[in-house]
Order: sequence, then structure tokens, then C-alpha cells
Amino acid sequence: AQSVTQLDSQVPVFEEAPVELRCNYSSSVSVYLFWYVQYPNQGLQLLLKYLSGSTLVKGINGFEAEFNKSQTSFHLRKPSVHISDTAEYFCAVSDGPSTDKLIFGTGTRLQVFP
Amino acid sequence: EPEVTQTPSHQVTQMGQEVILRCVPISNHLYFYWYRQILGQKVEFLVSFYNNEISEKSEIFDDQFSVERPDGSNFTLKIRSTKLEDSAMYFCASSEGSYNSPLHFGNGTRLTVT
Repeated sequence: AQSVTQLDSQVPVFEEAPVELRCNYSSSVSVYLFWYVQYPNQGLQLLLKYLSGSTLVKGINGFEAEFNKSQTSFHLRKPSVHISDTAEYFCAVSDGPSTDKLIFGTGTRLQVFP
Repeated sequence: EPEVTQTPSHQVTQMGQEVILRCVPISNHLYFYWYRQILGQKVEFLVSFYNNEISEKSEIFDDQFSVERPDGSNFTLKIRSTKLEDSAMYFCASSEGSYNSPLHFGNGTRLTVT
């Protein structure tokens, strides 16, 4: 069965600094990877997804992620964060691109300080 | 942009009581889902629904749970006899179901069982 590991439960960072949120998945023949963001008191919003093709995926709000098959990772990055990026970030994996079942990680709380 | 709406935002119920969580998916979507997140834990898949029947369900989705699409717009999750461990945030989601179509999540209903 697929699984996702987000090693960092919390990541504190100062505004305008770069950030990387780590995600590792269990190996599979085919895998589809997603990052979702949850702002306070809101639902889960899709940031970006990797289905196939280029391993560098660009998403909304200046975020990007790189699919690394050899390291089974899909780390999320942003070169310069804003206060408004403070949120919970979830990595997820599925067996299909438009799937019934997403397997989520435990989430990483990004806290941006002024 | 169309969105998935969930009501109520917070539901408090006593153990053993029945509770119904309501969702209005995006109107042209065909696939509907419930996920839940127990405080401090992962977001977990509960059930998917397509063409008026369950297409997949997890081990969590036992006989105490049921889903229904009573009309053309609502999608409900019923818990027949709530337990303390049912306390969680419940997320509804929907998708078009076609290749490359992501899940759209609602803001969630926080269920507290006392």
C-alpha cells in the first residue's frame, strides 16, 4: 500500500526566506503526487500535482516541487515566503491521476514570522 | 470559482446519537468523497461515490456510516450511533473524474462527540 512521510511537523521561517517542506513516498510502479494547502478555517486547496512529464512542477502562489524517483521524494519549495503562506501543507499520493483515494501525509505546519 | 460547501461548520453531538453531515459538491462534478482528519493525525479516506453508489470505501467506513445523494445537489454522510472516536474534521470533496482533474475539498465540518 502507498504511504507518505512528511518528516517535519513544523517549519518556522522568517518572511522572505526560502523554504523546503519534505515529502517522501513509498515506492510504486506508478505514482501520482500532490501537495495541498490548508489555510486556517478553510478546506484543502490543491497547490500542485505531478502526474507525468517534467519532474519540476510549478504550482500556485510561487510554490514548486521536484519529483525525484531515485530518492522517492517530492519536496515542496518556495524561494521567498510571505506571512500569508502560514498554513498546513499536506503531501499526498495516489495510484491514479484522478483517483478515488488519496493517501495523505501527516502535514507540515509552515509558520512564517515577520 | 465554484466551490464545495459543507454544513454545519461545527457539530456537537452526544455519544450514541445519529449525525448527518451535509455537503454540496461542485455542480458539474460526478465523483464525491468523504475524508476525515482526527486532531493531530493524517487526513484519511473514508468513501468515494459515483453514479449513485459507493465505488470504494476504507476500513474506517463500517456499518455505522452511510452516504447518500438524496437529490441533485446534496451529498450526505450519516453516522448512525456516534462514538467518542468519531470526533474529527470531516471533509467532503468532489471531482470531475476525468484524467488530470483534481479533488476539490470543502472547508470541513468539525464533529465533536461528547
